[in-house]
Amino acid sequence: AQSVSQHNHHVILSEAASLELGCNYSYGGTVNLFWYVQYPGQHLQLLLKYFSGDPLVKGIKGFEAEFIKSKFSFNLRKPSVQWSDTAEYFCALSPGKSTFGDGTTLTVKP
Amino acid sequence: DTGVSQDPRHKITKRGQNVTFRCDPISEHNRLYWYRQTLGQGPEFLTYFQNEAQLEKSRLLSDRFSAERPKGSFSTLEIQRTEQGDSAMYLCASSFPQNEQFFGPGTRLTVL
Repeated sequence: AQSVSQHNHHVILSEAASLELGCNYSYGGTVNLFWYVQYPGQHLQLLLKYFSGDPLVKGIKGFEAEFIKSKFSFNLRKPSVQWSDTAEYFCALSPGKSTFGDGTTLTVKP
Repeated sequence: DTGVSQDPRHKITKRGQNVTFRCDPISEHNRLYWYRQTLGQGPEFLTYFQNEAQLEKSRLLSDRFSAERPKGSFSTLEIQRTEQGDSAMYLCASSFPQNEQFFGPGTRLTVL
């Protein structure tokens, strides 16, 4: 069975603060890992993905994530958040179907 | 815009009624997925297709739920004898195999 755990349900930051959202997964085989974002009133959309190769992956809008196989982790980071980053963030893994974490709501205060 | 589309966007029904939702994927994508999402939770996998073949169905899915993708293009999700617990957002996504999924706007179901 595969599962994804996101540690923080709600994070509140001020603009320019650094962000790290935790994601741990459980799966015995080769994984593909994703971070999706859902801005208020919009569809889920891809932030970044890891399939293989360099464990540090860069995505859109200055986000990056690091795959640490030994820790079964794929944490999302951004050095300086903006008010427009206010959204819900989901970590997901696949092969085949995707299994999602329960999400982290990020609120950035101007 | 040739993204994933879903119809209807909102559905209100009475308990015991049947409902059907439609999803039109991105045309080149051969995989199509259905998820259900409730407040405070991530999308929960229901089923997925590769072309017209249904490859996997969640064990959580009761036999009141059925999905089809008859010609490998659009898909329908039917819920029979709806219950209040079926109230949720139903999401459709499409992809190439082993690639990121592109999501539609969802259908919000309210069962009274």
